[in-house]
Amino acid sequence: AQTVTQSQPEMSVQEAETVTLSCTYDTSESDYYLFWYKQPPSRQMILVIRQEAYKQQNATENRFSVNFQKAAKSFSLKISDSQLGDAAMYFCAFFASNTGKLIFGQGTTLQVKP
Amino acid sequence: GAVVSQHPSWVICKSGTSVKIECRSLDFQATTMFWYRQFPKQSLMLMATSNEGSKATYEQGVEKDKFLINHASLTLSTLTVTSAHPEDSSFYICSAVRDTYQPQHFGDGTRLSIL
Repeated sequence: AQTVTQSQPEMSVQEAETVTLSCTYDTSESDYYLFWYKQPPSRQMILVIRQEAYKQQNATENRFSVNFQKAAKSFSLKISDSQLGDAAMYFCAFFASNTGKLIFGQGTTLQVKP
Repeated sequence: GAVVSQHPSWVICKSGTSVKIECRSLDFQATTMFWYRQFPKQSLMLMATSNEGSKATYEQGVEKDKFLINHASLTLSTLTVTSAHPEDSSFYICSAVRDTYQPQHFGDGTRLSIL
């Protein structure tokens, strides 16, 4: 069975600084995708970034980038130039093609200090 | 972008009543829809997977008779919480996908409060 672990329940960052959220996963599958979702207080689920396991290049989306270490089964999210609007709960998620299901980590609450 | 509408956004009802939550994909046909439950400050837990025209597949521990799922068309899935009790109070979120390899698009969720 696949599992996703986010070991940081809460993180804090100063506005304009950089923060990295950790995520590890466990799977025996070779065909899978990894995601980071943001859930602000409104509780809407917003896709931040997506990484295909077969791609070696780390995905980037503006201020958001990932460090995908396939052998170590690690998928961390780096937020650069943090903004107040980045404050939210962030979920790492794993998707395996063979199950068609999205497995979420426990979440990390990010606080951005002005 | 793909839009998923979930209705109602908030519902309060008495214990023992049944509540229906709708999930619609507004601008695409969803081959599969998913229903999640989320308790405060916790992660999303998959309840069931719904494919159009077929019975939903429930995750282990989810009561089929308590949480009725119907996926009548490629744009609509409904979750009915039958004979709801206070312990069913939670945040319910649906998502929809065009096909297996596309990202899930989430509705805005429904806050269910059972008195």
